[in-house]
Formats: sequence, C-alpha cells, structure tokens
Amino acid sequence: QSALTQPASVSGSPGQSITISCTGTSSDIGSYNYVSWFQHHPGKAPKLMVFDVSYRPSGVSDRFSGSKSGNTASLAISGLQAEDEADYYCTSYTTNNTWVFGGGTKVTVL
Amino acid sequence: EVQLVESGGGLVKPGGSLRLSCAASGFTFSSYAMHWVRQAPGKGLEWVSSISSTSTYIYYTDSVKGRFTISRDNPNFSLYLQMSSLTAEDTALYYCARAPTRVAAPDYWGQGTLVAVSS
Repeated sequence: QSALTQPASVSGSPGQSITISCTGTSSDIGSYNYVSWFQHHPGKAPKLMVFDVSYRPSGVSDRFSGSKSGNTASLAISGLQAEDEADYYCTSYTTNNTWVFGGGTKVTVL
Repeated sequence: EVQLVESGGGLVKPGGSLRLSCAASGFTFSSYAMHWVRQAPGKGLEWVSSISSTSTYIYYTDSVKGRFTISRDNPNFSLYLQMSSLTAEDTALYYCARAPTRVAAPDYWGQGTLVAVSS
C-alpha cells in the first residue's frame, strides 16, 4: 500500500487561507468517505482535525474544513494563525481494511 | 479525561523482540477499536495495526505481518503489540490510538513510546 501524496510544505501569512491536497487511488480515497486529517506538533500527540472527509470533532475551529473529489482530498485552513504551524497528515481507510497515511505537509506561518 | 499511555519501548538488537503496552483510561475501552501507528525518525506517520473492540477484526500493514501481533485485554483496559524479528526499519516512536469504530480514524492518541533497533 503506497502512501498518499501530500505536498512537503505549504506556507502562508497570518490571516491568509491555505489548502493542503492529499492524493490517493481508487483503492483508498476514491472508495470511501473515510478520510481524516491530523495536526501534529513535534513531541505532542497527533490531533484529529477532520474525519469522514468533512466533519470536525468538537472543539476544532471552523477555520479548518475538509473536502474530497475523486481520489483527492483537501484540507483548507482559513484565517491562518501562528498556532496553526505544524505538520498535517491525511489518512484514508483502504479496500484492504487497512489505513494509509500521507507523507505529511509542513505548514509554515510566515 | 481520555488517556492513553504507552510503555515498553527501549533499545533492542536486530532480530530481537519487544512487547509494547498501552494503558487506557477515561473511556469505555471495550467499546473502541484501537490502532498502533509509528513514526520513524525524520519520517511521517505510518499505520501499523488495528484491532476491533472485541478482537474479531485484526489487520496489519504488510511490512509487519508475521512479525507483530496486536492484542487487547478489555477488562484491564490494555492494548498490546508484540514485536519480533525486529530490524532497524522498525525504529520509531510507536503511538497507540483509539477509534470509535472499526472504520473510523483514531480520535485520541497517546504520547508514544520509543523503540530503537540497533546492534
């Protein structure tokens, strides 16, 4: 199972909006709406930001939103803040009943 | 408060074995599926294994099949990962994480336990 494809880095200025893409295949993202996004600050536990493509857990800011089209999912962050600087990972359930992660995207707030 | 605390990591020689544990608290452990996810130094997250709430469904990533065994003890709120035939490629921070259902992504993660495989 190959990893999902994410850009290595994305940056933006405070207040701007950015989008992180996550490209998979018809065996993962394209088959299910079980795509999630995690925020990971080094040394801390990953935090679930979006699940089932576009749903936010309680307590997660509505500045974070998810979507999907075909084999590609996306995470949008609006009103970028310094605290958003972190690594972001997408993950998808697969037709093999396994999970696959993306390679991760480092978000930098300029 | 949901808590997941991993333990059992350490330095082990290639070919050796190690058993990781994850102590859960603050939620009904027997109602949740559980995952192990690892992160090698300087690398991204990699899903390792998952187990359903009643241990009926167990899955592994290809690279650990036949070497790792996931298990759980619901009355004692514990998750385990028995690792054998370890190689340098298994060196990573290992996280346990809970998921609401077998097909749901993990919603809470522990802080991880470090496994280093080196001679």
